[in-house]
Amino acid sequence: AQSVTQLGSHVSVSEGALVLLRCNYSSSVPPYLFWYVQYPNQGLQLLLKYTSAATLVKGINGFEAEFKKSETSFHLTKPSAHMSDAAEYFCAVRESKTSYDKVIFGPGTSLSVIP
Amino acid sequence: ETGVTQTPRHLVMGMTNKKSLKCEQHLGHNAMYWYKQSAKKPLELMFVYNFKEQTENNSVPSRFSPECPNSSHLFLHLHTLQPEDSALYLCASSQVSGGTGELFFGEGSRLTVL
Repeated sequence: AQSVTQLGSHVSVSEGALVLLRCNYSSSVPPYLFWYVQYPNQGLQLLLKYTSAATLVKGINGFEAEFKKSETSFHLTKPSAHMSDAAEYFCAVRESKTSYDKVIFGPGTSLSVIP
Repeated sequence: ETGVTQTPRHLVMGMTNKKSLKCEQHLGHNAMYWYKQSAKKPLELMFVYNFKEQTENNSVPSRFSPECPNSSHLFLHLHTLQPEDSALYLCASSQVSGGTGELFFGEGSRLTVL
């Protein structure tokens, strides 16, 4: 069965500093991987997705993630943190069933940005 | 309306009440999902409907009863809930087959059970 782990339930960075949120997955087949962001009292919004077209994926709000098969990782980065980036971030992997797609979510990482 | 809309956004109910959560997707997707998000717990998949047919029930107690009358609408009927059922309930939709399968979420219904 596929699974997702996110190292660090809480990450704090200074405004303008590099953001690095870690995600590792397990999958028996080439995965589809996703990063979602959740702001307080809102649903999840797709940041970016890996679909095997390119290992470096660019998303919205200046975020990007790199798929590394050898490390089974899909870490999320942003060169310079902004106050508005403070939110909960979820890494997810798609598990394909015969009749529907099941998306497995990691436990989430809460990002704080310090002025 | 675009995307996935959920109503109500907030709901407070007693343990003996009956209420329903509603979800509507305007994306033309063919699969819909209910997730439960509790504080300090991972997202829990509750139900999956594919082409209006329930394809997954993730050991959810019978006090939660889903209904999917068509591929655009999804309901979660609530009956005799417990305080531990207080959570954010998220609806999502996706296009199964032919796409990358990412989920599109509504803003959630915050449920408080007294």
